[in-house]
Amino acid sequence: DGGITQSPKYLFRKEGQNVTLSCEQNLNHDAMYWYRQDPGQGLRLIYYSQIVNDFQKGDIAEGYSVSREKKESFPLTVTSAQKNPTAFYLCASSIAWTDNEQFFGPGTRLTVL
Amino acid sequence: AQKVTQAQTEISVVEKEDVTLDCVYETRDTTYYLFWYKQPPSGELVFLIRRNSFDEQNEISGRYSWNFQKSTSSFNFTITASQVVDSAVYFCALSRYGGSQGNLIFGKGTKLSVKP
Repeated sequence: DGGITQSPKYLFRKEGQNVTLSCEQNLNHDAMYWYRQDPGQGLRLIYYSQIVNDFQKGDIAEGYSVSREKKESFPLTVTSAQKNPTAFYLCASSIAWTDNEQFFGPGTRLTVL
Repeated sequence: AQKVTQAQTEISVVEKEDVTLDCVYETRDTTYYLFWYKQPPSGELVFLIRRNSFDEQNEISGRYSWNFQKSTSSFNFTITASQVVDSAVYFCALSRYGGSQGNLIFGKGTKLSVKP
């Protein structure tokens, strides 16, 4: 089955630690995205990648970093500089950067203790 | 500025009732796309519909229907004869940059609870 996988589903970390969230897709999509969702809030764009080896900051990139070394993978690192990292993180992809129909993964719920 | 407003934070209905979820958007683009996504308790967003700004025809898919009105900048979503499985958070979204790029702007969502 083609789709987007995010692991783990739940993640706990101590304050001050960096943590990397995994996102893998086998849809052969060029573009990938990371969103953050807080209770009662919509999705806010953290980073996006139009194509492999490229990525751009979204609306709330501070305290986050990404890489796109492979087409199918777009990991997100939540650094200790992120002031309020506890949230639900969603990864998405689209066929091309010019195609705005996005497909989403199941999400990772990060809790920083 | 581009913006999506979903004024209804939470809606609760009894099974078999019809329910309409409101979405109002702001954009200066002449070409744009509007979307609805469903987020069930599992968390994954499920794509429901994409509508181009040039196509104002209403869309019906089973119990779901969408009413797009450019005159009022609205793209409302109606569920007919609601079912418990419809319980979810529903997001309306707008394409940025006229839809030529993948970026979407999401509303804050409406949580729908359908009680048996």
